[in-house]
Amino acid sequence: QVQLQESGPGLVKPSETLSLTCTVSGGSISSDYWSWIRQPPGKELEWIGYISDSGSTNYNPSLKSRVTISIDTSKNQFSLTLDSVTAADTAFYYCARMIINVAAKMGWFDPWGQGTLVTVSS
Amino acid sequence: SSELTQDSAVSVALGQTVRITCQGDSLRRYFASWYQQKPGQAPILLFYGKNIRPSGIPDRFSGSSSGKTASLTITGALAEDEADYFCNSRDTSATWVFGGGTKLTVL
Repeated sequence: QVQLQESGPGLVKPSETLSLTCTVSGGSISSDYWSWIRQPPGKELEWIGYISDSGSTNYNPSLKSRVTISIDTSKNQFSLTLDSVTAADTAFYYCARMIINVAAKMGWFDPWGQGTLVTVSS
Repeated sequence: SSELTQDSAVSVALGQTVRITCQGDSLRRYFASWYQQKPGQAPILLFYGKNIRPSGIPDRFSGSSSGKTASLTITGALAEDEADYFCNSRDTSATWVFGGGTKLTVL
């Protein structure tokens, strides 16, 4: 079955750029949508955005000015960059496959990666 | 802040039934999906749409939706069901939002 694994630095300095990659195994990235979600320790989940296999994106309006999600279908990977980070961006970052069925008016995230903690600190 | 509202904490006696709710105007237009998260773990999908459960999810978990309220029901709660539960749905601006989460305690 499809599995996802996040990778990237666990520590980023304030004002710098956070970069994470999600590697998909057990299936092709050339379908569905691929999403990033974050969760500050002890707090709620926040959807960051998604990218389709064709490269179309949809971002959370609250992060849109700082976020870029890209996809590399040849490597079965997709990536997240978040610019100008502050301590408020410290969180567990999860990647997940997203399936959207517009006609049935539903969407869901499954499976999820195990998550990676990114701390913003000097 | 979430546009989907959940009770922050709910408790249930072992073996009893509990309902966890999620409220928001967007639920009138799109179904919710529900996730369970245990400490130190990633969330897992419990169900989506009109109560569609992925394989491996026990049938004591069920869902329903009416108006602007989506519900997760656990029938015969087990100690292992103690976890945080989150709902998610599409909002009016075509983006996706999570509820604030409900911490379930099994007594």
